[in-house]
Parts: sequence; C-alpha cells; structure tokens
Amino acid sequence: AQSVTQLGSHVSVSEGALVLLRCNYSSSVPPYLFWYVQYPNQGLQLLLKYTTGATLVKGINGFEAEFKKSETSFHLTKPSAHMSDAAEYFCAVTGGTSYGKLTFGQGTILTVHP
Amino acid sequence: DAGVIQSPRHEVTEMGQEVTLRCKPISGHNSLFWYRQTMMRGLELLIYFNNNVPIDDSGMPEDRFSAKMPNASFSTLKIQPSEPRDSAVYFCASSPTGYEQYFGPGTRLTVT
Repeated sequence: AQSVTQLGSHVSVSEGALVLLRCNYSSSVPPYLFWYVQYPNQGLQLLLKYTTGATLVKGINGFEAEFKKSETSFHLTKPSAHMSDAAEYFCAVTGGTSYGKLTFGQGTILTVHP
Repeated sequence: DAGVIQSPRHEVTEMGQEVTLRCKPISGHNSLFWYRQTMMRGLELLIYFNNNVPIDDSGMPEDRFSAKMPNASFSTLKIQPSEPRDSAVYFCASSPTGYEQYFGPGTRLTVT
C-alpha cells in the first residue's frame, strides 16, 4: 500500500518569500511522485512529476521539487511567491502494482499575502 | 489540445433522481479515471479504465453508482437513485501512460 502525508493543511507566505510545501510518502516499490495544483472551482493541474532519473525536477510556474529517497520526501518549492500562486496543492504517489492509481495527500492550501 | 471535457459543469437534482455525468478524455489517452472530491473525504478514486475496460472499481461507494466507457472517447458515471450524500465535485481524468493524469474541470453535483 502507498500513502502520502502533506505536512500543514495551510501555509501562508508573503509575496516574494520562499514557498515550501512538504510531502512525505510511503511506498514499498520505487515511487512515481507528482504535485498538482487546484485553483478555486477548477480541476487539478499537473505541476511536475518524478518518475526516474534526475531527482530535482522542475515544473510549471517556477516550481520545483526534489525526490529524496532516504527521507521519503518530495517537497515542493518556489523561490519567490506570487499572488497568483494562491491555491491548493496536492502531492500524489503511484507505482508498482498500484499502476494507474494515484494516492493523493490531503492537500495544502497556500495563501500569499501582499 | 482541448483537454478533458466534462458535462454538465453543474447539476442540481432532487433525491431519488437519476444523474448522469459525462466525460470526453484527451484524444490518444488510454486510461480514464473518475474521482469524487468532498471537504470531508478529499479526493477519492471511484473507478478507472484502461483501453475502455474497467480495471478497478473498488472505490465505487455502492451499487447506486455505475460507470461505462463504450469507446475511447466517451465515459459516463451514473448515480441511480441519487442521495444528498452524493453531493460533491466529480472529476474525470485521463492519462497517456497510466501515471500522470490530466483532469477535467469537474461537475459540481448538488442533490437536494
């Protein structure tokens, strides 16, 4: 079985500050990891993904995440927050016999203050 | 690319009525997923198809829910009869590989 824990259901930052959203996963097989963003009244949009290869992956809108196997983490970062980054962010994992089934975290709501 | 298309975007119905939600996946994607999102339970996978064949429907809450995929470009999720606790946002997603998924805008269902 796989699981995802997102630390902090709400994160608040000032515009221009570093964004750090935490995600830890549990998987008995090499994981495929994803971050999605959901703006109000919209579907989930894929931000970035890790499958194999380089552990630092870059996504859209200036976000990046680093896969750390030893820490079972896949934290999402952005050097400088923008007001338009305010949304809910979901970390997800799949892999092995769970092929095709994404297990999502509970989500982190990011608020950006002027 | 038009993305995943869902209809209707909003549905309000009375308890006991039949509800049909529709989804058109991205052309060329061979996997399709139905999810339900609520504040209490978050995102729940209801069922997914691979090459139009249902692979896992263990998330379907009860027999009142059914899903079909008659061809590669169309899927339906039906609730009969509907109940107030079915009120949620229902998402359809498709995938070219079975891994990364691309979501539609969702259908907001309200059952009164």
